[in-house]
Amino acid sequence: DTAVSQTPKYLVTQMGNDKSIKCEQNLGHDTMYWYKQDSKKFLKIMFSYNNKELIINETVPNRFSPKSPDKAHLNLHINSLELGDSAVYFCASSQDSLAGTYEQYFGPGTRLTVT
Amino acid sequence: SQQGEEDPQALSIQEGENATMNCSYKTSINNLQWYRQNSGRGLVHLILIRSNEREKHSGRLRVTLDTSKKSSSLLITASRAADTASYFCATLRADDYKLSFGAGTTVTVRA
Repeated sequence: DTAVSQTPKYLVTQMGNDKSIKCEQNLGHDTMYWYKQDSKKFLKIMFSYNNKELIINETVPNRFSPKSPDKAHLNLHINSLELGDSAVYFCASSQDSLAGTYEQYFGPGTRLTVT
Repeated sequence: SQQGEEDPQALSIQEGENATMNCSYKTSINNLQWYRQNSGRGLVHLILIRSNEREKHSGRLRVTLDTSKKSSSLLITASRAADTASYFCATLRADDYKLSFGAGTTVTVRA
């Protein structure tokens, strides 16, 4: 059974396009996250939602907009894609409402390439 | 900003040897976690150590935490080829409860 799943796994698109990445977890967790991992493997948190409410919103361009239709789903929409958005995006979830007190479960990642 | 820094950046060892990697961080933490990432995959949680703990074991893994030095170490004993991966430390900051990752240590275990 897949715990945290993301679609698509690979996404190649041109500058200026708008794209979405979907994430679903079947662990019954309350909190979900989006991370960006750059080419140097540095992993940085972007957003965190707890029970559909935004609790962490790091300094990311407002071209990035997360949406949580229910606590099992957290999607990431990116407008006007730029070359610098190329990275691997990971979704994760955790059990607790105080984000990070427990371990996080990661999805397999979405490799976004902007040309 | 980046909280944790792993050392070394890369490590190559022979199967059966032990692998040790270190993590240093800057601010007060609630807990520190270690994750493994195999090439092209997501991160997998290995072990969590709370700020009031000094040492923790899980199978072939041993983690230490020294809050006075703001540092942690991960020891993998009797390494196997399957341990080849990148290892990340992540600190849960006490002030804002954000999990902050280092850049990782890439471990290669040679058969």
